[in-house]
Amino acid sequence: QKEVEQNSGPLSVPEGAIASLNCTYSDRGSQSFFWYRQYSGKSPELIMSIYSNGDKEDGRFTAQLNKASQYVSLLIRDSQPSDSATYLCAVPNAGKSTFGDGTTLTVKP
Amino acid sequence: KAGVTQTPRYLIKTRGQQVTLSCSPISGHRSVSWYQQTPGQGLQFLFEYFSETQRNKGNFPGRFSGRQFSNSRSEMNVSTLELGDSALYLCASSLGGPRQPQHFGDGTRLSIL
Repeated sequence: QKEVEQNSGPLSVPEGAIASLNCTYSDRGSQSFFWYRQYSGKSPELIMSIYSNGDKEDGRFTAQLNKASQYVSLLIRDSQPSDSATYLCAVPNAGKSTFGDGTTLTVKP
Repeated sequence: KAGVTQTPRYLIKTRGQQVTLSCSPISGHRSVSWYQQTPGQGLQFLFEYFSETQRNKGNFPGRFSGRQFSNSRSEMNVSTLELGDSALYLCASSLGGPRQPQHFGDGTRLSIL
């Protein structure tokens, strides 16, 4: 079992829809979780961090964390074509982050 | 605040050569990590330096090495290059705590001919 697993893609949604990206992790001791967005040919960009159970909202993005189920998700509301990218879930540990393989999202106009 | 700066952006080398990549972290960040990204393997952790000491190491052969200077700048060296070393090499910096996020540079794309 991989340490960080993301739902297999690619994921395609129409413009204006909600995109749901999921991630599970194996280390029950993990305390923080990050979502990165990576456009094709670019480097990963941090877009969300979450540390506590529940939801964290930032504009159109909502991160959800359920430590009991070892599950993290990212919801993108009112998806835009500019959201088309690969989204990476990451679990950090003092300078070493473990990344999922990423989910590629395509938002169709 | 300036971001993470990696140089060079692109490199073309041949098998057997060696290469050195450079990374300047965000000001105040003492942790610098290096990752290799390939289409088939995703983001793979190479090593991390904190205050000039290697604190974490991934599962890469000894041909991959690094160091960090007193100003937190870091270099990564790859010796005896192989075709399979073709990848995007990413540097990320952070404050270094266990829950701190990492911020990535634009990467160095290395192609081995």
